[in-house]
Amino acid sequence: EIVLTQSPGTLSLSPGERATLSCRASESISSSDLAWYQQRPGQAPRLLIFGAFARATGIPDRFSGSGSGSDFTLTISRLEPEDFAVYYCQHYGGSPKYTLGQGTKLEIK
Amino acid sequence: EVQLVEAGGGLVQPGGSLRLSCAASGFSVSYSHMGWVRQAPGKGLEWVSVIHERGDTYYSDSVKGRFTISRDNSKNTLSLQMNSLRVEDTAIYYCARDYVSPARFGYWGQGTLVTVSS
Repeated sequence: EIVLTQSPGTLSLSPGERATLSCRASESISSSDLAWYQQRPGQAPRLLIFGAFARATGIPDRFSGSGSGSDFTLTISRLEPEDFAVYYCQHYGGSPKYTLGQGTKLEIK
Repeated sequence: EVQLVEAGGGLVQPGGSLRLSCAASGFSVSYSHMGWVRQAPGKGLEWVSVIHERGDTYYSDSVKGRFTISRDNSKNTLSLQMNSLRVEDTAIYYCARDYVSPARFGYWGQGTLVTVSS
């Protein structure tokens, strides 16, 4: 069973800074099966990145995904106030099974 | 425009049952992969169940044998029948639809709160 570990647990940054969030899988996974979500307080999750690299419709280009094998990264190039939220990575595996990371909270410094 | 609206949440005693529904608009559930994802208070997201376009159903180990996912194509709705509820099933339950493929959920409802407590 694949486990996704996100780091750091909490990231404190200021608007305008660059954010780098990590998602590590317990074994090598296909990039096509890796997605990232954003969840703002009191809201439903929103799909940001799918297939490890592709932005979902309407997602600003300051969000980018990268990585391969077992290490994946979500980068936000210049933080806007609305970007402070919790971010989850998700893997789609056999059976099928959807595995989610525990989340990274991005907070204002 | 794709819209998902959940209903049916509430307070139920341990061992009880509850049925959640998700009204879909802007697309047909019969041609989509649909699922439920939950979030316990103050916790992360947890996948619960999915029904694929062909009708195949799948469940997380934590709900297998207790929950049943189904869809009504004529009403364009998704349902989750929850039996033998436990305190640990307390969560916001989100209905979600696939995005391009079943590998991810690109459309989400606002969620409905299920509280299991005596």
